[in-house]
Amino acid sequence: DGGITQSPKYLFRKEGQNVTLSCEQNLNHDAMYWYRQDPGQGLRLIYYSQIVNDFQKGDIAEGYSVSREKKESFPLTVTSAQKNPTAFYLCASSRTGGGTDTQYFGPGTRLTVL
Amino acid sequence: RKEVEQDPGPFNVPEGATVAFNCTYSNSASQSFFWYRQDCRKEPKLLMSVYSSGNEDGRFTAQLNRASQYISLLIRDSKLSDSATYLCVVRMYSSNTGKLIFGQGTTLQVKP
Repeated sequence: DGGITQSPKYLFRKEGQNVTLSCEQNLNHDAMYWYRQDPGQGLRLIYYSQIVNDFQKGDIAEGYSVSREKKESFPLTVTSAQKNPTAFYLCASSRTGGGTDTQYFGPGTRLTVL
Repeated sequence: RKEVEQDPGPFNVPEGATVAFNCTYSNSASQSFFWYRQDCRKEPKLLMSVYSSGNEDGRFTAQLNRASQYISLLIRDSKLSDSATYLCVVRMYSSNTGKLIFGQGTTLQVKP
């Protein structure tokens, strides 16, 4: 099946720990995105990548880091510098980064900081 | 002011009812418009794009008013399975990047 996978589905982290969220797509899409969603709020863009080996900060990049070494993979690291990391994290991809291409979302990872 | 604003609801309607959601956006440079549907604790999925001339997909009708910076979604003959949160999404172009801005969503609960 073609699509976007995220793992793990649920993740618990102690304060002060870094944690990496996985996102993989087999849609051959160039662009990939990371969003976070908090209760009662819209999705907010953390980082995006339009092509391999390139990525840009979104609106709320502080405390996060990404890499894009392979077209199909765009992992997100939530560092200890992120002050309020508990949230629902959604990865998305689109055929290209511009134009009118639809963004498709993965099933998400729920991160809870204990 | 939020870039994309929606009435969060919830909207509680009986099966078979017609319900309308509204959305306003603040940036007149916004270029493309969408409605996404998000089920509880799931990822958003594209419901439909919104075109200037208005468009319909079965029981769903989307309309755009650029002059008023206003988007709407009409659902006719509501089904129990329509219960979800509906996200209004606006795309703005900067350089060659199409950035999506999401509203906070409107929750619909269809009751038997």
